[in-house]
Amino acid sequence: GAGVSQSPSNKVTEKGKDVELRCDPISGHTALYWYRQSLGQGLEFLIYFQGNSAPDKSGLPSDRFSAERTGGSVSTLTIQRTQQEDSAVYLCASSPGIGYTFGSGTRLTVV
Amino acid sequence: GIQVEQSPPDLILQEGANSTLRCNFSDSVNNLQWFHQNPWGQLINLFYIPSGTKQNGRLSATTVATERYSLLYISSSQTTDSGVYFCAVGVGDYKLSFGAGTTVTVRA
Repeated sequence: GAGVSQSPSNKVTEKGKDVELRCDPISGHTALYWYRQSLGQGLEFLIYFQGNSAPDKSGLPSDRFSAERTGGSVSTLTIQRTQQEDSAVYLCASSPGIGYTFGSGTRLTVV
Repeated sequence: GIQVEQSPPDLILQEGANSTLRCNFSDSVNNLQWFHQNPWGQLINLFYIPSGTKQNGRLSATTVATERYSLLYISSSQTTDSGVYFCAVGVGDYKLSFGAGTTVTVRA
């Protein structure tokens, strides 16, 4: 597509439930990134995928967080047993090599 | 990791004014990008500028890599320039470290 697409745009979930967030990168972009932005804060790196290489998961805050990228394209970020501190905007970006293009994000609210 | 400091944290401008935003970083980088996050949350890439000077309309940016800083200039500001401006740095195109941002409010 023309841009990076994320879904859903908003998600409200109960504490303890699992959620899946989806990112469709720009076609042909080999790199895909997930970041998290808490209210009024900067962006916190979560995970990075580059082609067929093993992902860099060093930013994932706990083992409740996981992500995969299928076929070098679509990525899913999964948060298990959600906690209130997981509430944030989750942003996906893709890149062909230099420069990022961000999606509009998924606003996650855990109640 | 690389530390990124942006200043000022907040900036209020009258429409038509010029301004300069600064980004200092703690280590050598070969990737530096400026982003604008509009009031609806969308992040737009303004510049990829690991060194040198670039201009795009009323915006321009200069990075002095040897002195570890970058400047973003906004000229003849408009209300649509409001939002948060982020500087992000890294090595390669990998794992950018973001500053805390400068919140710009342009008043009509």
